[in-house]
Amino acid sequence: AQRVTQPEKLLSVFKGAPVELKCNYSYSGSPELFWYVQYSRQRLQLLLRHISRESIKGFTADLNKGETSFHLKKPFAQEEDSAMYYCALSGVWGAQKLVFGQGTRLTINP
Amino acid sequence: DTEVTQTPKHLVMGMTNKKSLKCEQHMGHRAMYWYKQKAKKPPELMFVYSYEKLSINESVPSRFSPECPNSSLLNLHLHALQPEDSALYLCASSQVSGARNGYTFGSGTRLTVV
Repeated sequence: AQRVTQPEKLLSVFKGAPVELKCNYSYSGSPELFWYVQYSRQRLQLLLRHISRESIKGFTADLNKGETSFHLKKPFAQEEDSAMYYCALSGVWGAQKLVFGQGTRLTINP
Repeated sequence: DTEVTQTPKHLVMGMTNKKSLKCEQHMGHRAMYWYKQKAKKPPELMFVYSYEKLSINESVPSRFSPECPNSSLLNLHLHALQPEDSALYLCASSQVSGARNGYTFGSGTRLTVV
């Protein structure tokens, strides 16, 4: 069964501080992992894909298969990073079910 | 065009009404999805279409009826809904040959059932 766990519902940090949003997953095969962000009153947007190993808006995420984790990190938080962040998982091939974690609401304090 | 467009943005309907939600994309994606999102909750999958055929139905009540008339359009027909069906309904699309480029979501239709 596919399952995504985000242990923190709320996370609050000060501007300029490092940020880490935790994500753990359970999947029997090889998963595709994503981070999605939902800013206030905006649509759900893809932030990162594990397959691309890219950095977007200063965020990075590394897939750790041993720990089944895909934590999202940013070294210096900015106020505009305040949003709801969802970790999500799908299978590799075909039209697949995208399963979301419960989300972490990140608040960056000035 | 890299967007998924959903109409209407807002809909209020009575429990005896029939209405339809529409979704359109022109990215050449052949997989399309309906998700339901309640307030402060993650999106939950309802239906998956692959090459215009229904491939996954997550045990959704029959008062929700999806339709994929062509590769660019996805509809969700609503009939005899309940107040607890009030939610944000999201459409998404992706490539079928692996969703590695991610799923593109529309901005949603906010449905209120009165």
